[in-house]
Amino acid sequence: EDQVTQSPEALRLQEGESSSLNCSYTVSGLRGLFWYRQDPGKGPEFLFTLYSAGEEKEKERLKATLTKKESFLHITAPKPEDSATYLCAVLEVGFKTIFGAGTRLFVKA
Amino acid sequence: NAGVTQTPKFQVLKTGQSMTLQCAQDMNHNSMYWYRQDPGMGLRLIYYSASEGTTDKGEVPNGYNVSRLNKREFSLRLESAAPSQTSVYFCASSEARGSQNIQYFGAGTRLSVL
Repeated sequence: EDQVTQSPEALRLQEGESSSLNCSYTVSGLRGLFWYRQDPGKGPEFLFTLYSAGEEKEKERLKATLTKKESFLHITAPKPEDSATYLCAVLEVGFKTIFGAGTRLFVKA
Repeated sequence: NAGVTQTPKFQVLKTGQSMTLQCAQDMNHNSMYWYRQDPGMGLRLIYYSASEGTTDKGEVPNGYNVSRLNKREFSLRLESAAPSQTSVYFCASSEARGSQNIQYFGAGTRLSVL
């Protein structure tokens, strides 16, 4: 069964404490992997798209990487404003998008 | 820059009542989607419309119907609401369903069915 699993479910960090979020997937064929950020009471907001193993994308304190079986979202020296839920989504060859359940990130000042 | 607009933002229904959730996008996107989001679960696709005039079932279509009214608008209807349909509903749009399928989401409708 095709699925996308995110870990951990929740992550609590001190401001400045770098860490990584994981997204592992088992799908029939990968067309793209997407990362979204979701703030409480709002809809998801697009961050990155990755298409092939070895690809990396960066935006401010965030860096997304992709292997054949998983993706990591690295957060360097996080700030309280980085607190949000981060969603991973996989686009399959049949253009079906599967979302993970998300990782809730809390960054304390 | 409105993007994707959903109405209403909140709704409380009694079991058996019907209602329509409205969604409109101003980005001239071809594809539109309806998802539900439940605690501990990923966004699950209810219905989608790849282009104006077409609609298709997603992962969890039972109990819902949709209408792609025109290129801008995509509505979701609950004919007879059930407590299991208590959820947060998101509408999204994308330029197309290809590999550049970046989806833009509305702020959501929080629905409670009593």
